[in-house]
Amino acid sequence: GAGVSQSPSNKVTEKGKDVELRCDPISGHTALYWYRQSLGQGLEFLIYFQGNSAPDKSGLPSDRFSAERTGGSVSTLTIQRTQQEDSAVYLCASSLKGGEGKLFFGSGTQLSVL
Amino acid sequence: SQKIEQNSEALNIQEGKTATLTCNYTNYSPAYLQWYRQDPGRGPVFLLLIRENEKEKRKERLKVTFDTTLKQSLFHITASQPADSATYLCALENTDKLIFGTGTRLQVFP
Repeated sequence: GAGVSQSPSNKVTEKGKDVELRCDPISGHTALYWYRQSLGQGLEFLIYFQGNSAPDKSGLPSDRFSAERTGGSVSTLTIQRTQQEDSAVYLCASSLKGGEGKLFFGSGTQLSVL
Repeated sequence: SQKIEQNSEALNIQEGKTATLTCNYTNYSPAYLQWYRQDPGRGPVFLLLIRENEKEKRKERLKVTFDTTLKQSLFHITASQPADSATYLCALENTDKLIFGTGTRLQVFP
């Protein structure tokens, strides 16, 4: 595709349910990031994948959060037992390389936990 | 602790003036710094990158400076236009990944 694609664009769930958010990066991009943005706030780093290296998970807020990247392409962010404080926009970005590569962002998934 | 600070207050300026946005950081030693623009409901869009050994970078009406002694980057938009109204985010390299500031909302009025 032409850009980074995220799905769903909106997700409403009940507290305690699990959710999966999907990111399709730009083809050929080796680096992939997940960020979280709460209303009116900046971007909170969650996790970073770079090529075949072990992912940098240092930003994941709790063990309810996990992410994987299959085949160096599509990534899924999973939130288990969702809480109301998980409500936010989840943004995915990819870049051609790690390091200085500029990030291309998707439009995000708006997650609302009721 | 590590912090990246941008003006939390919105910056309101008149069309045609120069907008200057500030990014200050603490306890980081970034090899480079990037600036992004974010419009409501959209993901951020890359604007400029500046490396630690560069003092200044320009692109059309945009200028970025990087002072590693002051631990500060300034982002300037000259001859500002209402279409420049958006939130501007700085992002620092930290162990090969990008960490973002909270952003500053710029409003340019006619």
